[in-house]
Amino acid sequence: DTGVSQDPRHKITKRGQNVTFRCDPISEHNRLYWYRQTLGQGPEFLTYFQNEAQLEKSRLLSDRFSAERPKGSFSTLEIQRTEQGDSAMYLCASSLRGADTGELFFGEGSRLTVL
Amino acid sequence: GESVGLHLPTLSVQEGDNSIINCAYSNSASDYFIWYKQESGKGPQFIIDIRSNMDKRQGQRVTVLLNKTVKHLSLQIAATQPGDSAVYFCAEYTGNQFYFGTGTSLTVIP
Repeated sequence: DTGVSQDPRHKITKRGQNVTFRCDPISEHNRLYWYRQTLGQGPEFLTYFQNEAQLEKSRLLSDRFSAERPKGSFSTLEIQRTEQGDSAMYLCASSLRGADTGELFFGEGSRLTVL
Repeated sequence: GESVGLHLPTLSVQEGDNSIINCAYSNSASDYFIWYKQESGKGPQFIIDIRSNMDKRQGQRVTVLLNKTVKHLSLQIAATQPGDSAVYFCAEYTGNQFYFGTGTSLTVIP
């Protein structure tokens, strides 16, 4: 499978715990995006990388959220001290050129449930 | 943030009929738009796109119409099939990012 891969697909955690999600983009895609999606809503942009540089992070929801892409390949999204309001689907997408070329490919998401 | 909204949250159509899904966007500076389809438990899947210098674009069984005067997009699906049942999102591209609307749930009745 050469699509965008996300892991884990499902995560159940207790409030206050830290969680980390991993995204493996399509190989050779240098742009990587994280979105959050709550039930019945469209994806909400969080942050994006071009290679290893995080070019936009002002939309990360709080300082409990952080993302890395250390070698310009896979990326991780970490949520510290999770809250029930963090329960959502976290989507990763990648593109080779800019997102405005239509070539933005999404993974199947990591669903987080905070108890 | 940007506001992208849909007129109808749900739509039911008979198999074989045409479907029309509408979307309003708020930023007149947005210059690129995409329609995505999202099936249950899956990530959004690209359907069709259109740039602001166009009014209409056709794909296979799908057509997107853009009315910049009233900031309105529509997605037309011809001969709707059961496999078209999904949530459909429009997204506008502005400020180097996409902003998605709430989505319309399309149900195709066999």
